[in-house]
Amino acid sequence: SAVISQKPSRDICQRGTSLTIQCQVDSQVTMMFWYRQQPGQSLTLIATANQGSEATYESGFVIDKFPISRPNLTFSTLTVSNMSPEDSSIYLCSVEKAVVDGYTFGSGTRLTVV
Amino acid sequence: QKEVEQNSGPLSVPEGAIASLNCTYSDRGSQSFFWYRQYSGKSPELIMSIYSNGDKEDGRFTAQLNKASQYVSLLIRDSQPSDSATYLCAVNSHYNQGGKLIFGQGTELSVKP
Repeated sequence: SAVISQKPSRDICQRGTSLTIQCQVDSQVTMMFWYRQQPGQSLTLIATANQGSEATYESGFVIDKFPISRPNLTFSTLTVSNMSPEDSSIYLCSVEKAVVDGYTFGSGTRLTVV
Repeated sequence: QKEVEQNSGPLSVPEGAIASLNCTYSDRGSQSFFWYRQYSGKSPELIMSIYSNGDKEDGRFTAQLNKASQYVSLLIRDSQPSDSATYLCAVNSHYNQGGKLIFGQGTELSVKP
């Protein structure tokens, strides 16, 4: 299965600022997925990031708030823009290297907005 | 109706017992099914995947799939305290690489020594 390096692992940010989260995969993958896990909740898909095209956002998530870049087949970033305390969550990137391997997750970014 | 539903628990079982975790899904086109384990403060870890009706066993874990009933379950035999975690059911409607994974709300399992 793929190995994902995600950073930062955690951050405390002031409201109104932005944070960019990076995910680096050890092999080329077609799609990368960004999830949010709010405190005590399950994982909610934010968007699917394709190389060479705009990300596909799920209902309730918009590009202005969560811009995504996918410059190549091993790297993606998610920016959380104009943050408010409600954005305090764990953000996770995920890839599917092969169907039989399932989906692998990065170690997550624990974001606290104050 | 939620796309993927699980009993939130907590489910408490004594050490050595069988833990049974259940999940239902709404999309009949779903083709691949996963169980993830998530320890507190950690990211989800894949423990089982299943694609065909029936049972799939891996060590102490058995996944069961019934597509007609839109039901998938996970059995953990000889439960250990180290199995205490939240178990997430996830469903993918695209068998080929690249479909999105939808998660249930998770079931918290507690195994008492």
